[in-house]
Amino acid sequence: QKEVEQNSGPLSVPEGAIASLNCTYSDRGSQSFFWYRQYSGKSPELIMSIYSNGDKEDGRFTAQLNKASQYVSLLIRDSQPSDSATYLCAVNRGTGFQKLVFGTGTRLLVSP
Amino acid sequence: EAGVTQFPSHSVIEKGQTVTLRCDPISGHDNLYWYRRVMGKEIKFLLHFVKESKQDESGMPNNRFLAERTGGTYSTLKVQPAELEDSGVYFCASSQAGQGVPGYTFGSGTRLTVV
Repeated sequence: QKEVEQNSGPLSVPEGAIASLNCTYSDRGSQSFFWYRQYSGKSPELIMSIYSNGDKEDGRFTAQLNKASQYVSLLIRDSQPSDSATYLCAVNRGTGFQKLVFGTGTRLLVSP
Repeated sequence: EAGVTQFPSHSVIEKGQTVTLRCDPISGHDNLYWYRRVMGKEIKFLLHFVKESKQDESGMPNNRFLAERTGGTYSTLKVQPAELEDSGVYFCASSQAGQGVPGYTFGSGTRLTVV
């Protein structure tokens, strides 16, 4: 079993729709959770971080965390073609642990 | 502020050769990390420097990989001798002291192809 699991996609949504990206993790000691966006040939870019159960909103992005279910999600409202990219879920064990454990990423395609 | 710079951006070498990848972190960033993505797999941690010291090298795959960060500035990752399975994209990231994981800034990576 992989430590961080994501559906590879592609997830196709029309422009203006809500894109829902999901991630599960196996290490119950994980404390910090991140979503990165990666355009083809570019570096991963941090778009959201979440540390507590519940929702965290930032603009069109909402991250949701459920530690009991070991589940993290990212919602993108009013999806735009420029949101088309690979979204990487990453987890970290928290204080004292610097490394990130990544999922393989979900490719999102937003059609005009 | 200049970002994390990696070079070369691409490298094609033959099996058995040596390759050295370089990462220049953001100026003043004490933390420097190396990650690798092999095709079809997830991005995986290789190692973490704090200044010139290796804090965590648990992800280094074997002794063919040698990372250095002399003087606590730029870092090099040498693969010697390279094998086919070393092909992939090597990412470097840096962060300020105390900023930890949320402060990661990734470089655009070096795509290594071993033929």
